Amino acid sequence: QVQLQESGPGLVKPSETLSLTCTVSGGSMSNYYWSWVRQPAGKGLEWIGRIYSSGSTNYNPSLKSRVTMSVDTSKNQFSLKVDSVTAADTAVYYCAREGGTVTVLFYWGQGTLVTVSS
Amino acid sequence: DIQMTQSPSSLSASVGDRVTITCRASQDISNSLTWYQQKPGKAPKVLLYATSRLESEAPSRFSGSGSGTDYTLTISSLQPEDFATYYCQQYYSTPRTFGQGTKVEIK
Repeated sequence: QVQLQESGPGLVKPSETLSLTCTVSGGSMSNYYWSWVRQPAGKGLEWIGRIYSSGSTNYNPSLKSRVTMSVDTSKNQFSLKVDSVTAADTAVYYCAREGGTVTVLFYWGQGTLVTVSS
Repeated sequence: DIQMTQSPSSLSASVGDRVTITCRASQDISNSLTWYQQKPGKAPKVLLYATSRLESEAPSRFSGSGSGTDYTLTISSLQPEDFATYYCQQYYSTPRTFGQGTKVEIK
C-alpha cells in the first residue's frame, strides 16, 4: 500500500520560501503524477500542481509564478517550494498521488500545517 | 480554468435520510468527476470517480450520477460515520479544481 508523508518547517516568515518534501513508501514513483494540495483552516481544497515521475510539471496559474516542484525518484521523494509567502499561504499542505490511468488523487499524505508569520 | 459550483454549502440531516449533493462545472467535463469525503483533521478520501464508479473501500450507499456539466452525489441512507464534508473535483483538465465543499451535519 502506497504511503505518503509530508515534512518541512511548520513556521515560515513572510517573504521567505516555503519548502516541503513528500516521502513515498510502499511503491514505485515511476509513471505516476505526484501532486500538492493545500487547505487553509476552515476552507476548501486548492490544487497547487503536480509533477510526473519524469519531471514534467503542471502548476495552478494562480500560484505558478511562485511555485517550483521537483522529484527525486532515487530517494522516493518529491518537493514543493513556494516563494515570497504571505499569511494567505498559511494552510495544511497535502501531498498526493494520482492513479495510473485514472488521474484521481487516490493516495494522500496526512497533511502538514504551515503557518506564515513573523 | 474550469469552475466547480457545489450545492448546498451545508445541510442538516438525520440518520437514515437520503442526501443529495450537486456539483456543476463551468464546461463539459465528460464525466471526469470525483467525489471526496473529508473528516476533521484528516486527508480527503475518494468515494467515487468517473462520476459513478465506487472506490473499492467506499460503502454502496454512496452513488454518483450525471453527465456534461451537472453531477450528483447521493447517500441513500445516511449513517453516523457519514457526517463529514464532501468535495467534488474535476480531473478533465489542469488546473484541477474543487467544489467549495458541502458540510453534512447532524440534525
